[in-house]
Amino acid sequence: DQQVKQNSPSLSVQEGRISILNCDYTNSMFDYFLWYKKYPAEGPTFLISISSIKDKNEDGRFTVFLNKSAKHLSLHIVPSQPGDSAVYFCAASDSGAGSYQLTFGKGTKLSVIP
Amino acid sequence: KAGVTQTPRYLIKTRGQQVTLSCSPISGHRSVSWYQQTPGQGLQFLFEYFSETQRNKGNFPGRFSGRQFSNSRSEMNVSTLELGDSALYLCASSLRGPSSYNEQFFGPGTRLTVL
Repeated sequence: DQQVKQNSPSLSVQEGRISILNCDYTNSMFDYFLWYKKYPAEGPTFLISISSIKDKNEDGRFTVFLNKSAKHLSLHIVPSQPGDSAVYFCAASDSGAGSYQLTFGKGTKLSVIP
Repeated sequence: KAGVTQTPRYLIKTRGQQVTLSCSPISGHRSVSWYQQTPGQGLQFLFEYFSETQRNKGNFPGRFSGRQFSNSRSEMNVSTLELGDSALYLCASSLRGPSSYNEQFFGPGTRLTVL
């Protein structure tokens, strides 16, 4: 039972255009969401997060949108750069559970074409 | 500030052996979590330690265990290794303060290969 789903295993985007990565979740107790970026042979790098009291959070070229009613979040990267090519993981947590467990999606591999 | 460090980076073991992996969190971080990453299952939560106590455990057999020391450093142990334990083991640290959100910062991982 996958509680966090990233339905697109891969995405290709031209340099300078917008990249949109999507994530769906099923557990309504999740109230904090994060995006990580991962290069091969490295650990995930934290990118941006959003709590359930917000519907948008922005940090430079990265914006995360949260639609609680649809249990959907997305990461927008504008403009996309070749260095953004990596695997992106969506993660969620339930702060009320008293644990810092993160539940991850299986990732989307983004390729930014120069 | 130094990031999360993990040792060793690579490890090769044979079936039936046991292994111990080490993690040093970011200075000031008191929570350490461990995850297993495999191609088929993605990133899966193993356990979390805070103040030397295990706070939560994922759905893994008892062969997987861990501990945390008073300086917040953590170790995980896998006994009676199986081929399916081959994976990248990632450690993540977090502040876990009353006003902090659950932003976890990952180390580079230990790549374990079981032959």
